Amino acid sequence: SAVISQKPSRDICQRGTSLTIQCQVDSQVTMMFWYRQQPGQSLTLIATANQGSEATYESGFVIDKFPISRPNLTFSTLTVSNMSPEDSSIYLCSVDYREWAETQYFGPGTRLLVL
Amino acid sequence: SQQGEEDPQALSIQEGENATMNCSYKTSINNLQWYRQNSGRGLVHLILIRSNEREKHSGRLRVTLDTSKKSSSLLITASRAADTASYFCATGGGAQKLVFGQGTRLTINP
Repeated sequence: SAVISQKPSRDICQRGTSLTIQCQVDSQVTMMFWYRQQPGQSLTLIATANQGSEATYESGFVIDKFPISRPNLTFSTLTVSNMSPEDSSIYLCSVDYREWAETQYFGPGTRLLVL
Repeated sequence: SQQGEEDPQALSIQEGENATMNCSYKTSINNLQWYRQNSGRGLVHLILIRSNEREKHSGRLRVTLDTSKKSSSLLITASRAADTASYFCATGGGAQKLVFGQGTRLTINP
């Protein structure tokens, strides 16, 4: 099974600032995903990040607000920019270990509170 | 938009009892998956059932799929306190994005 870590595990930020979340995987993967889980809600896909190409964003999410980097096959970052209290959520990264695999493995999440 | 609707939204039972959660979805699927989330942490994959399967077992878990009704159920038998978590169904994956249901919060009382 996968070993996926995220940093930070939680943070409290002031509105207007930005936070970069890191996701590290224990082996090389083609696709990495970033999800948002608002309080008491389900998970919503923000974007899919493939190494060597621009991330693909879902409807309602834009690169200016959620820039993503994918410098290699084991690492990705998600930045939450110009934060507002509405950005308070858990942010999770996930991977599939085989390209186009149906099952995804999730990191432990980053719990963000914006004041 | 969410593909799956789950019910109940919350379920509280006594340890040792069985817990059943249901998931309905809207479009045709290749497979349906169930995940568990403990206390707002990461998700753990539990089981995947393909569209040509009707029932699947894994330990104390039993999943059924009725494609004619576009519904699935997750049964946890002989529940334990450690089963307390939120459970999500999800459709898609692979070439399609993974779309999650709203989830069921399960509480096992000692």
